[in-house]
Amino acid sequence: EVVLTQSPGTLSLSPGERATLSCRASQSVSDIYLSWYQKKPGQAPRLLIYGASNRATGVPGRFSGSGSGTDFTLTITRLEPEDFAVYYCLQYGSSSYTFGQGTKLEIK
Amino acid sequence: EVQVVESGGGLVQPGGSLRLSCAVSGFTFRKYAMNWVRQAPGKGLEWVASVTGSGDITYYADSVRGRFTISRDNSKNTLYLQMNSLRAEDTAVYYCAAGVAVVPLQHWGQGTLVTVSS
Repeated sequence: EVVLTQSPGTLSLSPGERATLSCRASQSVSDIYLSWYQKKPGQAPRLLIYGASNRATGVPGRFSGSGSGTDFTLTITRLEPEDFAVYYCLQYGSSSYTFGQGTKLEIK
Repeated sequence: EVQVVESGGGLVQPGGSLRLSCAVSGFTFRKYAMNWVRQAPGKGLEWVASVTGSGDITYYADSVRGRFTISRDNSKNTLYLQMNSLRAEDTAVYYCAAGVAVVPLQHWGQGTLVTVSS
């Protein structure tokens, strides 16, 4: 079973700054099946990135994904107030899904 | 417009049963794999179960295998989760999510709260 480890656990930044979130897999995963989600309290999770680097419909251009193998990154350039949330990476295997434990992006 | 609406949550005693439903509209239901994902209070997201578009293949997390059953009715555009032998650790908001092969968990509902407590 693949384990996804996200870092840092909490990231404190100010609006306008750049955020870099990491997701590391315990073994190599296909980038086709690596996604990123945004979760705010009381709201449904929102798909941001699929296939490691493809933005989902309606996602602003300041969000981008990259990586391959075991190391993946979600980058948010020029943080907006609405971007402060918890972010999860997700890996889809042949018969299961695995989420990372999440990175909380908080306002500094 | 895509709509995903869960229902059926509530308070249940340990050892009890509950059935969740998820009604969808705005996309071709039978073409999407359907999933249940949960979030316990103060915890992260946890995948629970999946079913293929035709309904013939199901997958479960180890934590619920043998106790939960996922199913779907494509004639009603509805997904179900039958939960038996519930435990306190099953307390969570349960989300229904639809996806396709390379775009998993694309469309989500707002969730339904399940509380297992005596």
